[in-house]
Order: sequence, then C-alpha cells, then structure tokens
Amino acid sequence: QQQVKQSPQSLIVQKGGISIINCAYENTAFDYFPWYQQFPGKGPALLIAIRPDVSEKKEGRFTISFNKSAKQFSLHIMDSQPGDSATYFCAANKAAGNKLTFGGGTRVLVKP
Amino acid sequence: EPEVTQTPSHQVTQMGQEVILRCVPISNHLYFYWYRQILGQKVEFLVSFYNNEISEKSEIFDDQFSVERPDGSNFTLKIRSTKLEDSAMYFCASRGAIGVADTQYFGPGTRLTVL
Repeated sequence: QQQVKQSPQSLIVQKGGISIINCAYENTAFDYFPWYQQFPGKGPALLIAIRPDVSEKKEGRFTISFNKSAKQFSLHIMDSQPGDSATYFCAANKAAGNKLTFGGGTRVLVKP
Repeated sequence: EPEVTQTPSHQVTQMGQEVILRCVPISNHLYFYWYRQILGQKVEFLVSFYNNEISEKSEIFDDQFSVERPDGSNFTLKIRSTKLEDSAMYFCASRGAIGVADTQYFGPGTRLTVL
C-alpha cells in the first residue's frame, strides 16, 4: 500500500516537445506529492510539488496534474530542452516530516 | 542558498568493515533523513531523525545501522559491518520545522562501494 508506481522508465523527446511522466499511488493518506530531478552523480533536487487540494500546479515549463479520485499525478515538461535530460522521480508522503516514498524513476533524454 | 553537504563523496571499504557517512544538514532544519539508492534503482528511505531520536526506520535499517547527531551540526550514518549489498549511493536530507514547506532537501550523496 506504500508503493508509488511510475511510468515510463525512459523517454526520448525532441527539443521543444512535451515530456509526460505518470505516477500512481495506493495510499490515500498521502498528502504531499513532490517531483525530484536528478542528474548523474548528484542528489535529487526538488522540482515542483503539489497537495491533493488542487488539480494542477504550474511553475515555468513544469506542470503537475493531479487526479485524486484516480490516485494519479503526472509531470508535464513543456518545450523540453537538452538541459532537462535527467532522471525524474515522483514521490509521496503523508503528514509533514514523514518519509518520502519514491517512484521508480524516469530517465528523460531530450534530443537537440 | 543553503545546502546539505555530505562527506566523503566516495567511500571504498572491505566487507565486514565499519563505515561512517557524514552529513551537515541545512542549519535551521530540524528533521533529518537518510536514503539510499542502489545503482539504477529508486531512492529508498532508511531512517528519519527528529529531536535527537529516530522517528521512523525502514526494514532495511537493521541492527547494523545507526544514526547520530553528535554535535548539533553533523548527522552521521554508521554501518557496523558492511556487506556487499550495502554498496549504494547514500543520501542525507533535511527539512525545516512544521509550518514551513515540507520540502526535503537532499545532499549530493556518498557513493559506498563494498568489496
């Protein structure tokens, strides 16, 4: 019940295209859903996060869509750039301060 | 911008040896975490620490593991007798007080290689 499932495992997109990564969770007690970006050899860095009381959050080229009834959320990267090439992890936790449960990760490659 | 730092960046050890991984969390943060990432796999929670005690630990965090905040700034993870399967990237993370954003900020990691 603690799992977060992420798809696809990898994604290739042309520069300027849209990258879409999907996650599904099981535990309805989760109340915070961050996305992390990780470059090789680096730690995960927070990209954008959402709470279940809103259905969408946009920050620059990055948008999270959240569907509470389906227990799904997704990351959209608009106008993808080569510098966006990284591994993206969705995550979830319940209650402030609690452990993060991560999805399996999506390796995104943006071709110039 | 304040950041979480970790040392060493890479640690090589022999099976059965003890290792201590060190972290300096962001200075005004109160919640501390260790996660690990086996090569090519997802990030897994190990332990959380608040108010000088463990608040939660995973099944991975067995008796071979311990954490300590020895001096009010450092946060350490000790593995008492390393096994081959402990080879992974270990990330420290920290978070501010309740009422502040829930974001956990991650350090750059320590790559542990057990031979």
